[in-house]
This record gives sequence, C-alpha cells and structure tokens, in this order.
Amino acid sequence: DSGVTQTPKHLITATGQRVTLRCSPRSGDLSVYWYQQSLDQGLQFLIQYYNGEERAKGNILERFSAQQFPDLHSELNLSSLELGDSALYFCASSPRTITGELFFGEGSRLTVL
Amino acid sequence: TQLLEQSPQFLSIQEGENLTVYCNSSSVFSSLQWYRQEPGEGPVLLVTVVTGGEVKKLKRLTFQFGDARKDSSLHITAAQPGDTGLYLCAGAHAGGTSYGKLTFGQGTILTVHP
Repeated sequence: DSGVTQTPKHLITATGQRVTLRCSPRSGDLSVYWYQQSLDQGLQFLIQYYNGEERAKGNILERFSAQQFPDLHSELNLSSLELGDSALYFCASSPRTITGELFFGEGSRLTVL
Repeated sequence: TQLLEQSPQFLSIQEGENLTVYCNSSSVFSSLQWYRQEPGEGPVLLVTVVTGGEVKKLKRLTFQFGDARKDSSLHITAAQPGDTGLYLCAGAHAGGTSYGKLTFGQGTILTVHP
C-alpha cells in the first residue's frame, strides 16, 4: 500500500461526457502528479501540483484540467471525452526530495465507449 | 524532450534464468529510478541510483547507473515467476521548472515461466 488513494478504480462512460478523478496523496506529501498510461504511449506525465499551485505541465490536453485543494487532495477533470482517452490514470505523490521519487496510487481505469 | 529507451520491450524466460534490462538515453539525469508494475496496480519504486557508476543490489536484483548518468541496467539473477511484471526506468530532472518530472521509458514486460 503506497498510501496514495485514487477513486474511482473503474469508470465507464460515453464519448462527449465529463468525468472527475480524485486523488489523496500520502500523508505529508505536498506534491501530486497525474500520469496517463496507455498501451501505445506508455506512462505520460500530465501535470504536477505542489501545495495547491500548478508546478509543471506535461502532455495534458486542453480538455483536461486539474487542481489541488487546501487539504492537498487533487482532482483531474476530463471533459468532451473521446475514445482515445480510454486509459489508466495514475496519481502519484512525493516528498520534496532531490531524487523525485514517486509513490503511485492504484490508478483509475477509464473506458470511453 | 529527454527520452529514455528501454530494451527489450518483451522478455519471456524460464524460471532460474538470468536476464538484463537496459535503459538508455542521450541525456544526463540527476538520478534514475526503477519501478515494477503488476497488472491492476500502480508502479512501485524498486530503487533509485544517483551517482554515476553506482551499483545497488536488492536481493536477486542488481541495478547499475552508467558513469555518465545517461544509462542504467537492471540484472535479475535466477528469475522466479514472482518477478513477472512491467519494469519501468525513469530519469529524474535536476530542478527548476522540471523538478520532480520523471521521464519514463516504455517499459519491459517480463514473463517468467515456472
């Protein structure tokens, strides 16, 4: 158990819909990261938040947005969903260390039909 | 963009065999991490190597960071079915706006048959 909690574990929805994925980081970790994992793209960095502020952005689509709340939990919002958005979405948290080690949640599997 | 290339992509071996997975880049990383991911779960950190030439051992797993900090290898001795999984290497950026941003390799799917 990494200490990172993600909900929901599975989500099935239709094209054009909007979903919200939730993440609670490990106790004491201020940084939250979102990654997308698909068979053809591997693990792709989407976005990072540190103590409520956006810190780094990766390959995140404009239809996607995220935020980190004062209690440090984070939400990833995916809108106008397309078939290609079907993937595993991982949240990870880390302490502020120079090596940047990440502790991943179990992921949210999104299926867009 | 700093890319990490892992090889091989797939590895299917018998229990008791040895294997090596490689992770290569043309870029220098401040550190390199190895993760293992099982189906339905998130990646789990196995080890972090920081110093060029560093070698770390974790039971039957040996990790090495290249002298120039551009490449790494994972060697498993006497593989067991429990070693089956997806092995990912990830290079860490040193700091600034890229702090904490890991670049992941595509992964190596290892299957160890009893």
